[in-house]
Amino acid sequence: EIVLTQSPGTLSFSPGERATLSCRASQSVSSSFLAWYQQKPGQAPRLLIYGASSRATGIPDRFSGSGSGTDFTLTISRLEPEDFAVYYCEHYGRSLYTFGQGTKLEIK
Amino acid sequence: EVQLLESGGGLVQPGGSLRLSCAASGFTFDTYAVSWVRQAPGKGLEWVSTIRDNDETTYSGDSVKGRFTVSRDHSKNTLYLQMNSLRAEDTAVYYCARVGPNWYDSRAQITGGGYFDYWGQGTLVTVSS
Repeated sequence: EIVLTQSPGTLSFSPGERATLSCRASQSVSSSFLAWYQQKPGQAPRLLIYGASSRATGIPDRFSGSGSGTDFTLTISRLEPEDFAVYYCEHYGRSLYTFGQGTKLEIK
Repeated sequence: EVQLLESGGGLVQPGGSLRLSCAASGFTFDTYAVSWVRQAPGKGLEWVSTIRDNDETTYSGDSVKGRFTVSRDHSKNTLYLQMNSLRAEDTAVYYCARVGPNWYDSRAQITGGGYFDYWGQGTLVTVSS
């Protein structure tokens, strides 16, 4: 069973800064089945990135994804006030979906 | 516009049953796999169950296997989750989510998928005596 680890649990940045979030898999996974989501308090998650690096419809280009094997990264190039939220990575394989435990992005 | 609207949540006693519904609109329901994902209070996301579009194969996470059953009614464009033998640890907001279409990169000759492209707003299930 694949375990996705997102660390640290909380990151603090100021608006305008660049943020890099990490997602590490317990074994090598296909990047074709790796996605990232954003969730704000009281809201449903929103798809940001699929296939490790493809932006979903309507997602600003300040969001980018990269990585392969066991290490994946979500980068937000210039943080906007609305970007402070919780971010989850997710992987699909062998008919199972696995989420990381999430990283909270908070305002410094 | 794709919309997913969950209903059926509420308070139920341990050992009880509940059926959740998710009404889908704005897309051809028959041609997408759909899933349930839950989130316990203050916790992260946990995949629950998925039902495929083509052969209606279902699969579920270990924590609900044998207790929860996912099904769909194509005539009503509705997804269901029958939850039996409920436990306190099943308390969560339950989201209905569409599984996004698989994609193919002809240059790299790779296929991808396995992501949730649209989500409902969720329905809260509380298991407590």
